[in-house]
Amino acid sequence: EAQVTQNPRYLITVTGKKLTVTCSQNMNHEYMSWYRQDPGLGLRQIYYSMNVEVTDKGDVPEGYKVSRKEKRNFPLILESPSPNQTSLYFCASSMRTGAGYGYTFGSGTRLTVV
Amino acid sequence: SQKIEQNSEALNIQEGKTATLTCNYTNYSPAYLQWYRQDPGRGPVFLLLIRENEKEKRKERLKVTFDTTLKQSLFHITASQPADSATYLCALSPSGDDKIIFGKGTRLHILP
Repeated sequence: EAQVTQNPRYLITVTGKKLTVTCSQNMNHEYMSWYRQDPGLGLRQIYYSMNVEVTDKGDVPEGYKVSRKEKRNFPLILESPSPNQTSLYFCASSMRTGAGYGYTFGSGTRLTVV
Repeated sequence: SQKIEQNSEALNIQEGKTATLTCNYTNYSPAYLQWYRQDPGRGPVFLLLIRENEKEKRKERLKVTFDTTLKQSLFHITASQPADSATYLCALSPSGDDKIIFGKGTRLHILP
């Protein structure tokens, strides 16, 4: 089944403790992206990647890191999480960049930083 | 400033009727516009994509229109069912560059 797999589904952590949210897609998509979704603010892009070893900042990149060493994986790293990073996170992938192709989203990771 | 506007108020529609959702945008010239469905706590699911040179696109009970003069897209669900209740998001790529941006979505309730 074509899908984007995120893990974990739920995560509670403490301020400052490094964490990684994994994202993997099995569709050979070139484009991958991370979003956070907060009430009243909608989906906001954190980072995106147009292909292996090519990443760029989205609209809210502060406090996050990403890497794209393989085409299928695009982990999101929080080096020192803070409470304002409590949010619902989604990974998405698309065949190519831009809006000419639909995005496939993962099921989400609900992160709580205390 | 550039933005996408969707009605932030929930839309209540009687089962069997046609639901119409609106997406307006300003200061963009998108080549494509997309619509997604999102259920609470779940990831958005891609529904339809319409190109700027297409006036209308259909998929089963769904219909999307795209008016580049009005800078508006309408999303219709005909013969609506309670299972259609969800939040619907529109998305577009500003000037066809390397990312898309999403509207905040409209919550749709289909009343039995």
